[in-house]
Amino acid sequence: QVQLQESGPGLVKPSETLSLTCTVSGGSVSSGSYYWSWIRQPPGKGLEWIGYIYYSGSTNYNPSLKSRVTISVDTSKNQFSLKLSSVTAADTAVYYCARESVDIWGRDYMDVWGKGTTVTVSS
Amino acid sequence: DIQLTQSPSFLSASVGDRVTITCRASQGISSYLAWYQQKPGKAPKLLIYAASTLQSGVPSRFSGSGSGTEFTLTISSLQPEDFATYYCQQLNSYPPTFGQGTKVEIK
Repeated sequence: QVQLQESGPGLVKPSETLSLTCTVSGGSVSSGSYYWSWIRQPPGKGLEWIGYIYYSGSTNYNPSLKSRVTISVDTSKNQFSLKLSSVTAADTAVYYCARESVDIWGRDYMDVWGKGTTVTVSS
Repeated sequence: DIQLTQSPSFLSASVGDRVTITCRASQGISSYLAWYQQKPGKAPKLLIYAASTLQSGVPSRFSGSGSGTEFTLTISSLQPEDFATYYCQQLNSYPPTFGQGTKVEIK
């Protein structure tokens, strides 16, 4: 079955850019049935959707983060990536990649998640 | 953004209890609501989507209902492995938003 795995630095300095990659196994990012998303969870807090990318490269970002976020896809490596610029301590969180599926009736849901990776913003 | 408010935020229950969690949306979201279970240190797991459709492999003791602005997640007979935090999520409009979570603990 499809599995997702996040990777990237666990420590980022303030004002720098956070970069994470999600590797998809057991499936393809080029499938037209899915959107590939990033979600984060600050320590002890709830979940925040960051954005998604479609295999074609079209994106949709959370307006609260839009000015700092870039999500890209590399179909040759079966990966998609997140860049978050100008980070502060408030960006410290567990970052998850997830697959958003849409069924034939147009109902969507996030059915596959990576295990998550902890990113700490600190000097 | 659409706000989701879950109640209660914390729930203490015993094995075998029937448990109900409510999720209220700040505006109508039709049936575009999902429920997730999260255990400490783990990723969320999809339980229910489209308000009432049980995800494949999820035990039938979990059920969901509602439409518009009010939704419920019910666990018919709480099992030891069900002690976790539960989140609702709306996917009616972007950005998708989550409720603040309901932590279910052992009484």
